Amino acid sequence: DAGVTQSPTHLIKTRGQQVTLRCSPKSGHDTVSWYQQALGQGPQFIFQYYEEEERQRGNFPDRFSGHQFPNYSSELNVNALLLGDSALYLCASSPGGNQPQHFGDGTRLSIL
Amino acid sequence: AQSVTQLGSHVSVSEGALVLLRCNYSSSVPPYLFWYVQYPNQGLQLLLKYTTGATLVKGINGFEAEFKKSETSFHLTKPSAHMSDAAEYFCAVRTNTNAGKSTFGDGTTLTVKP
Repeated sequence: DAGVTQSPTHLIKTRGQQVTLRCSPKSGHDTVSWYQQALGQGPQFIFQYYEEEERQRGNFPDRFSGHQFPNYSSELNVNALLLGDSALYLCASSPGGNQPQHFGDGTRLSIL
Repeated sequence: AQSVTQLGSHVSVSEGALVLLRCNYSSSVPPYLFWYVQYPNQGLQLLLKYTTGATLVKGINGFEAEFKKSETSFHLTKPSAHMSDAAEYFCAVRTNTNAGKSTFGDGTTLTVKP
């Protein structure tokens, strides 16, 4: 049973570019959340998707957007990249309700 | 609103010694509390969780934590540290009204000395 998978594992971009990160949730999970983890910090909640809609959003600008597909997989898009966007981006899935979230290994995004 | 404070960004113990990682939370409604472990270049792995019921919860790898409402704490312990326990540990809080949003502490790096 595959867990949460994320792609790519590493990505290098330059300022001003746009990036798309992908996430496949664990089998049986329909809720996907995205987190940004800067170096030396805990993960910060970006947003959550359920039934193909954004249900909750953290304190991130509109440059951060997402999508959830009918198969529950999800994408995180970041436009107009800034140096400060360099971080590990984590995807977490859950079967909803109060069940714990399962995390993928993340995408390491570096902005030059 | 909810928040987590992890006291001590770095903790060092000898192999075989007690591990104690501290976590205090703030939540306006009854919280769900979690401890996660993160190894280098990996995602977060759930160690244990508290939702309701018994306040002493046992997790994987011999870890346990006790929910103390009066102290707003959820400290993580392990009686005897192993070298393989060296990692980053995160405490997180969630509530029923924000089921998808976990708020994490800044983490505690555990070093285990031989």
